[in-house]
Amino acid sequence: GAGVSQTPSNKVTEKGKYVELRCDPISGHTALYWYRQSLGQGPEFLIYFQGTGAADDSGLPNDRFFAVRPEGSVSTLKIQRTERGDSAVYLCASSLGAGVDEQFFGPGTRLTVL
Amino acid sequence: QQPVQSPQAVILREGEDAVINCSSSKALYSVHWYRQKHGEAPVFLMILLKGGEQKGHEKISASFNEKKQQSSLYLTASQLSYSGTYFCGTEMYSGGGADGLTFGKGTHLIIQP
Repeated sequence: GAGVSQTPSNKVTEKGKYVELRCDPISGHTALYWYRQSLGQGPEFLIYFQGTGAADDSGLPNDRFFAVRPEGSVSTLKIQRTERGDSAVYLCASSLGAGVDEQFFGPGTRLTVL
Repeated sequence: QQPVQSPQAVILREGEDAVINCSSSKALYSVHWYRQKHGEAPVFLMILLKGGEQKGHEKISASFNEKKQQSSLYLTASQLSYSGTYFCGTEMYSGGGADGLTFGKGTHLIIQP
């Protein structure tokens, strides 16, 4: 079956612009996670959805970052007024959500803010 | 609290064994291990839960010392395909559902022929 997909694969934007990153989880997975990974670092947790609701958004760095999952499937991570420090690979993962379980990662979106 | 991984990097000959460690200053509920190759997504290896339950691949083994908040990943008879960066991800609390993971900085493993 299809894995987690993310679009776009690469995004180059200018400082101050708004960007949206999309994640399409594995069908039937109720839990969805956003992480970001900088060069040479491990993934950094941003936000976790259980169904449509954000169960934990404690990892969002500031109020420029926002994520939605309106129908409990596809999720969009939105970044306003982008800064050069936002440049990273943004990873999405999903899991069945019924407990502690394997998280399946997507290929990521590489965001570059010029 | 980010878990600490050691060593930072290791170079092995094919067929040799390696141990990668992950430790936390906080009590842990579960430890997850992933391998990531350059430019690719992390791939699941194993989950170890408080109480001794494990979920993972048959050829990978790991341990979880709950008292010491430490986990170790054992790679035996290493193959070239084992090369990559290994990350441990930790959960401190289970509220009955899944949680976001806190990952270490990774251990770079290079296997030479």
